[in-house]
Amino acid sequence: GENVEQHPSTLSVQEGDSAVIKCTYSDSASNYFPWYKQELGKRPQLIIDIRSNVGEKKDQRIAVTLNKTAKHFSLHITETQPEDSAVYFCAARDGNYGQNFVFGPGTRLSVLP
Amino acid sequence: GAVVSQHPSRVICKSGTSVKIECRSLDFQATTMFWYRQFPKQSLMLMATSNEGSKATYEQGVEKDKFLINHASLTLSTLTVTSAHPEDSSFYICSARVRDRAYNEQFFGPGTRLTVL
Repeated sequence: GENVEQHPSTLSVQEGDSAVIKCTYSDSASNYFPWYKQELGKRPQLIIDIRSNVGEKKDQRIAVTLNKTAKHFSLHITETQPEDSAVYFCAARDGNYGQNFVFGPGTRLSVLP
Repeated sequence: GAVVSQHPSRVICKSGTSVKIECRSLDFQATTMFWYRQFPKQSLMLMATSNEGSKATYEQGVEKDKFLINHASLTLSTLTVTSAHPEDSSFYICSARVRDRAYNEQFFGPGTRLTVL
């Protein structure tokens, strides 16, 4: 089955700096990669996603890049703000016919004012 | 649109009792719902996939007789933790796939924090 790794586990940046979180996946058949933001005690919220036929996607300060050959994808947050502080999870939709998401272990991002 | 609710948000129970958690899609039909468990500072671990009108598919290592899942309608799935023990204490989150929409999308409920004394 699919296995998703995520790095770093914790990340601290100064407000205004950029943050990058990287994920790798194992199943070359995976074709959908969402990123979720989860604040303490709350539900995960989808912030951006990318499909395997696209190499990059941007939404304001957030971007995701995908390298299918290397089986890794990254989340980029520019001009970070304190409200970006949260745990971020990457995920991959497993296999050709799978419905499930396999989540990475998460990255705790702290944006220091 | 695509709002998912869960009830209760918090529950404290004694060891040996059963607890039922409801997951509802409020403004859409969900052909598939997923149940996750999340321990403190850890990731979401899929427990089971629930399809309306059929038996749930459980992940390896998840006891189906302990975690009973019922998906009786296109808007409701329930998870019952039977004979709960302290090690079952966790944050349980459901998610739902929107019927007839991009098949990849999942929307999460707010979660239920279960504490077993």
